Formats: sequence, C-alpha cells, structure tokens
Amino acid sequence: EVQLVESGGGLVQPGRSLKLSCAASGFTFSNYDMAWVRQAPTKGLEWVASISTGGGNTYYRDSVKGRFTISRDNAKSTLYLQMDSLRSEDTATYYCARGGYDGPMDAWGQGASVTVSS
Amino acid sequence: DIQMTQSPSSMSASLGDTVTINCLASQDIGNYLSWYQQKPGKSPKLMIYGATNLEDGVPSRFSGSRSGSDYSLTINSLGYDDEGIYHCHQYYEYPLTFGSGTKLEIK
Repeated sequence: EVQLVESGGGLVQPGRSLKLSCAASGFTFSNYDMAWVRQAPTKGLEWVASISTGGGNTYYRDSVKGRFTISRDNAKSTLYLQMDSLRSEDTATYYCARGGYDGPMDAWGQGASVTVSS
Repeated sequence: DIQMTQSPSSMSASLGDTVTINCLASQDIGNYLSWYQQKPGKSPKLMIYGATNLEDGVPSRFSGSRSGSDYSLTINSLGYDDEGIYHCHQYYEYPLTFGSGTKLEIK
C-alpha cells in the first residue's frame, strides 16, 4: 500500500524556519517526481514545489522562491521542504504528493499543519 | 501562468441526480488535466487523470470529458458518499495550478 506520512508541522513565528518531512513507503520512491501542495484554511489547493526523481531539478511557485527548498533522500525514501523566512500567508496544511509535472498527483499524505503567527 | 476557471463554486443536488463540474483552461493543456475529490479534513483523492481516464478503484459513475479548453467532470447516480469538494488541476506546465474548487452538497 502506498503511504506518504508528513511530519514537522507546527506553530512558528514570522521570519522563523520550519522543515517538513514526508516518509514514503509502498512504492519505489526514487522512480517518482514528488511535490508539495498546500491549502490555507477554507481555501483551495496551491502547488508549492516539485522535485525530479534524482533531485537534480526543482521547481517553485514564485511566492516561495528563495525562501523554501525542496529536497529528497532516495536512500531514506523521504521528501523534505525547508521553509525559511516564514510569513503569515504561508499558514496552511502542507501535503506531500507523488507525481506532479507531466503526471497526476496520484497519492497524497494526510497533511502537516503549519501556522505562522506571533 | 495557466488559469483554471472552475464552475460552479458550489452546488446542491439530490440522490440519484447527475451533475457536471467544469474547468476552463486559459491556454492549451492538452489532456494534462486531473480531478480530485476532497472530503472535510482529508487529503485530496485522485478521481480522473489525463482528462478522461478513471483512476483505479473509482466508481464508473464518474467520468471526465474535454471539449477544446473546457474540461468536465460528470457524476451519475449521485450518492451521499459523493459529497465533498472537487478540484481540477493542470499538470501541463509549471507553475502547476488548480481550479478554485466546487463544493458539492447532496440534499
């Protein structure tokens, strides 16, 4: 069974950092592009970042470029999202998802809640 | 950026009805379009990919279609379990974008 389990969410002050992890199991992690998608309270889905299978190609939405870093450890089957200089508008549930560019996101984690507030 | 204009934003239908949700892409995305169902407090679930392909395990009551840049999700024989928010999504190019969502209520 494909499983994606996020961790690392929480309450953080504006300007501070947080790192999310997504542990994958049930499939060959290194064969899939991966993505982070967020959803602010009562809002729609918003793509945040994607990474290619080997990690050599990364893509970000404009509003997080230079602040967020997506990475992966294929040996550990784990996806990461380093979030720096957090803003109140980054408050959301963050989902990791399998797939992205050129393919649908066919598996999703349960989500990690991030609240940016003083 | 590719804009996905989704309509309606909400709708209410009765058991057994047929409903259609639409997404209009602002530019050509080919068939790089998927539909997701999201229940309250849960993560999205892939229902349709490639505009018309049913994901494994999804009831055949769900179907997707395309007419030019207009994409539709149709649900036949509505049941209570179909209640939720439906999102369209283009994965043709970065930045990946989603529609604003359609909240479906079953009367």
